[in-house]
Amino acid sequence: QKEVEQNSGPLSVPEGAIASLNCTYSDRGSQSFFWYRQYSGKSPELIMFIYSNGDKEDGRFTAQLNKASQYVSLLIRDSQPSDSATYLCAVNDNTDKLIFGTGTRLQVFP
Amino acid sequence: GAGVSQSPRYKVAKRGQDVALRCDPISGHVSLFWYQQALGQGPEFLTYFQNEAQLDKSGLPSDRFFAERPEGSVSTLKIQRTQQEDSAVYLCASSTGIGGGYGYTFGSGTRLTVV
Repeated sequence: QKEVEQNSGPLSVPEGAIASLNCTYSDRGSQSFFWYRQYSGKSPELIMFIYSNGDKEDGRFTAQLNKASQYVSLLIRDSQPSDSATYLCAVNDNTDKLIFGTGTRLQVFP
Repeated sequence: GAGVSQSPRYKVAKRGQDVALRCDPISGHVSLFWYQQALGQGPEFLTYFQNEAQLDKSGLPSDRFFAERPEGSVSTLKIQRTQQEDSAVYLCASSTGIGGGYGYTFGSGTRLTVV
């Protein structure tokens, strides 16, 4: 059973701080890694993907991948109240499907 | 259309009733996926189509669940003899690439409540 693990949270951070979201996965054959944001009552929205070890930056978001340790993380700099949502980590092992974690709920307070 | 369109947005079914959920993917997207998301959980894979071919249905929870995409565009997920445990949000997603390696665009989902 391939698994993707996330802390369910909530992770509470003050506005302007860095939010750090973590995810571990069980399948060493995993090739592609995704972060989705899901607002309450809405569908998941793709915000970042990463394929190679290291960091990938896109605006206030940085995805970090460490295949040896089997973890992927998402950093959100200068967190805003509008970033408050559930963040879903998803992993693909070159099959047709994505395996999702249960998500981490982020709360950014003013 | 501009995005993945799903209908209906909400469906209430009496236990034992059959339901049909529709997905209209982004035009030209080859890959189409159905996921089930229970409250407080991440989406769980149900089935995958590449054009009209259903290449993976390993996630369908029982033989009451059936999906089709006869012309390689619109897809329908059908649930027969609904049970309370079928209550969830059913998400459809499409992708321009083959399989899941490129990430998906999700539709707004259909919230199914079985009473």
